[in-house]
Order: sequence, then structure tokens, then C-alpha cells
Amino acid sequence: GAGVSQSPSNKVTEKGKDVELRCDPISGHTALYWYRQSLGQGLEFLIYFQGNSAPDKSGLPSDRFSAERTGGSVSTLTIQRTQQEDSAVYLCASSQPGQGPQYFGPGTRLTVT
Amino acid sequence: AQSVTQLDSQVPVFEEAPVELRCNYSSSVSVYLFWYVQYPNQGLQLLLKYLSGSTLVESINGFEAEFNKSQTSFHLRKPSVHISDTAEYFCAVTPFRGSARQLTFGSGTQLTVLP
Repeated sequence: GAGVSQSPSNKVTEKGKDVELRCDPISGHTALYWYRQSLGQGLEFLIYFQGNSAPDKSGLPSDRFSAERTGGSVSTLTIQRTQQEDSAVYLCASSQPGQGPQYFGPGTRLTVT
Repeated sequence: AQSVTQLDSQVPVFEEAPVELRCNYSSSVSVYLFWYVQYPNQGLQLLLKYLSGSTLVESINGFEAEFNKSQTSFHLRKPSVHISDTAEYFCAVTPFRGSARQLTFGSGTQLTVLP
């Protein structure tokens, strides 16, 4: 079946611009996660959605980062006023309810110039 | 809170030799454990998982890992590696219970298989 998809695969933006990253989870997966992978910080958790519950935003690094999940499916991660330190690969993952393993998308490589 | 330690950042090994990638974790609660693999310029792929039952788990491509609760370890092993196993390997944990479901990752181990 179809896996987790993310778009765009690459995004180059100028410092100060806003960007939107999209994630389409595996059908039937109610849990959705965003992570960030960068050279200096490794793999970091950003935000977690589970069904209709309030999202766990404890990993968001600043108030410039936000995310929403519409209709319990597609999610958008928005970064406002991008900074060079936001350059990283942003990974989305989804899982079934409970403690099933998370399945990752291919990521969006964000470069802020 | 949980933490994961992968002591070896780089592991070079010759083809057909055995390999062990070490993973230790720290947690105040019981956890599920995972190994993910990342090939160059690709996303993370689930390699194997320990959720319950037998402490020895195996993947379809010959890797195995053993959960050792007393040593809080989940080392990854393969008796004979191939060039195609060259990749970065990440150990990860998530709490058995509670509302926090996110994965906590180790810093990764780059496995390089030499001809």
C-alpha cells in the first residue's frame, strides 16, 4: 500500500520567508508526528497529533513553528520568518492507534539562504 | 523522560564479517524499542521492533536485536554483512504507557561495509 508522502521533497527559501511543508499519512493511521533531522541536533521530535485530541506541541523549538492536521489526515507544518538554523530535513511519520511502530516519509529538505 | 545512547558513531567492517551496533537506553518507565535504518538520501525505514514477548527479534534481511532489560540494552547484530548494509542505523524508544508517544532517538551509527 501507499506509504507516508511528503511534499515538497526540497525547498529553498530566503531568510525571513514563510514555508509550508505537507505530510500525507498512511490511510487508517490516526497518529501523526513531525520530526526534524539536522547535523548538529540529530533527530528531534517536533509535534504529535492523535485523533481529535489536542496536539502535543512540546517539541516545537519556537513560536515561529506551527502545525495543523485537517480532517484527521493531511498535516501541514508551517515555519514563519525562517532563519538559517531552520535548515534541516523535516520528517513526518504516522502510526496506528496504540504503540505500533511509526512509519516515516521521505522527508522535506529545507534550505534557508 | 527517556534517553538513548549509541556509543559508536562510526563502525567500519569488512564484507562478510560480523557486526554489532550498540544501543543503551535510560527510562523511568517501560519502553518499546526500535531500530531504524537510513540509506543515503532516503528516509527512515523500520528495521525491527521489540514490543513484547521474545526478547530476541529478527528482521527479514538477517539483522537481529536482543532486548536486555537488566542492562537496558538493545544491541543490533548481523553475523555476516553485505556492501548493501552500508547505512546509518538509529536506535529509538517510546514509552509503554502514557500520553507521550513520540520516539526518542539515539545519535545514530554509520555502518560502512568495506569490500
